[in-house]
Amino acid sequence: GQQVMQIPQYQHVQEGEDFTTYCNSSTTLSNIQWYKQRPGGHPVFLIQLVKSGEVKKQKRLTFQFGEAKKNSSLHITATQTTDVGTYFCAGINDYKLSFGAGTTVTVRA
Amino acid sequence: DSGVTQTPKHLITATGQRVTLRCSPRSGDLSVYWYQQSLDQGLQFLIQYYNGEERAKGNILERFSAQQFPDLHSELNLSSLELGDSALYFCASSVDQRNSPLHFGNGTRLTVT
Repeated sequence: GQQVMQIPQYQHVQEGEDFTTYCNSSTTLSNIQWYKQRPGGHPVFLIQLVKSGEVKKQKRLTFQFGEAKKNSSLHITATQTTDVGTYFCAGINDYKLSFGAGTTVTVRA
Repeated sequence: DSGVTQTPKHLITATGQRVTLRCSPRSGDLSVYWYQQSLDQGLQFLIQYYNGEERAKGNILERFSAQQFPDLHSELNLSSLELGDSALYFCASSVDQRNSPLHFGNGTRLTVT
C-alpha cells in the first residue's frame, strides 16, 4: 500500500537558521498537503501542491513538489520560535490520504 | 477555530469500559475522518465517512466502530478499552471525499486506567 515517509523525525534548529524537511512516497501522488501541529494543538492545514515541480511560498516557508510527484519538501528560512511544532505531509493517491510520521521541530533561542 | 467540534475534551475511564467520542464537522463539510495520535506519535488513520456512508478504513481495531448520522455528525465508539488505547483522538472534516484539505477538531484525550 501507499506509504509516506518523512525525514528527519526530529529537527533541532538554532533560531535564525534554515532547515528542510522531506517527504517521500512509494507511489506517485496526485497531490500533497502539509500540516502543522503546535505543541498541545491540533494539525492545521498549511498548503496543497498539485502540479509536478510546483513551488509555493508562505512568508518564510517554501514548499516544493517533486517532478515525479513522489516527493516533497518544506524549507523554512530564518527559523523563529513560532516555527516550533510538528510538520506533517499527507500524500494523496487514488483519493486515499496518507500522513507521514511528521518532523518535530524545536528551536534554540 | 477550525469549525470542527469534538466532545468531550478529556475522558478518563477504566480498562474494559466503553466510551463514545462525538464530532460535529465544519458547516458544509460532508466528509468526516477519525485519527488516533498516541504520545509523540504520528496520525494513525482510523476511518472515513462521506455523507453518511463509510468510505475508507485504516488500522481500526474491531473493538472500535464509528458512524456518521444524517445531520453529518459522527461518533467513534471504543469498547473493551485497554491501556494502550490511551491517546488523542482527532476528528477532521473536509468538504468532499477527494483531495480537499482536512480541518481538524481540538481532539479528545482519552486516558484508560
